[in-house]
Amino acid sequence: AQSVTQLDSHVSVSEGTPVLLRCNYSSSYSPSLFWYVQHPNKGLQLLLKYTSAATLVKGINGFEAEFKKSETSFHLTKPSAHMSDAAEYFCVVSDDRDDKIIFGKGTRLHILP
Amino acid sequence: GAVVSQHPSRVICKSGTSVKIECRSLDFQATTMFWYRQFPKQSLMLMATSNEGSKATYEQGVEKDKFLINHASLTLSTLTVTSAHPEDSSFYICSARRQGVIGNQPQHFGDGTRLSIL
Repeated sequence: AQSVTQLDSHVSVSEGTPVLLRCNYSSSYSPSLFWYVQHPNKGLQLLLKYTSAATLVKGINGFEAEFKKSETSFHLTKPSAHMSDAAEYFCVVSDDRDDKIIFGKGTRLHILP
Repeated sequence: GAVVSQHPSRVICKSGTSVKIECRSLDFQATTMFWYRQFPKQSLMLMATSNEGSKATYEQGVEKDKFLINHASLTLSTLTVTSAHPEDSSFYICSARRQGVIGNQPQHFGDGTRLSIL
């Protein structure tokens, strides 16, 4: 069985400071992992994905994530937050056997001026 | 650009009305599409899996007679909320996955439909 845990429901950072959004997963098979961002009243936009290639994945808008199998983690980071990064972020896991994906509960990122 | 188009983006209608939402994959064929419902400040809840040319697969607790799904072509799935009531008000999102040659491809999401039943 697969599961995803986003450890923080809300994260607040000041503009220009680093962002860390935490995600831990559980999977019986080699997982594929994704981070999506959702702005208010919008669908989900893919930020980045890990699919068993390089463990450090670079995505759009300066975000990156590192897959750590030993820690079953896939935390999302950005060196310097921008006001436009304020949104809801979802960590997602899937495996190659199934089209279904499992969502984390989401982390609301607040950017303080 | 968008690879999954969802329409309409917003619907406001009276109780008892049936509402149809369309989800189209724009530049790929999707034998499977997914419909989600999202309550305020919550994550997405999978409602059903739409299968081209066959019946949809509904998640436990989702009324199939209430939420009719039709996947008549490889690029179009529709969700019809029949006889909608205020409790059906929500944000509905569809997704589709490009059938990847290598590895697990990500789901691409529509922009969602905000349904408000008066």
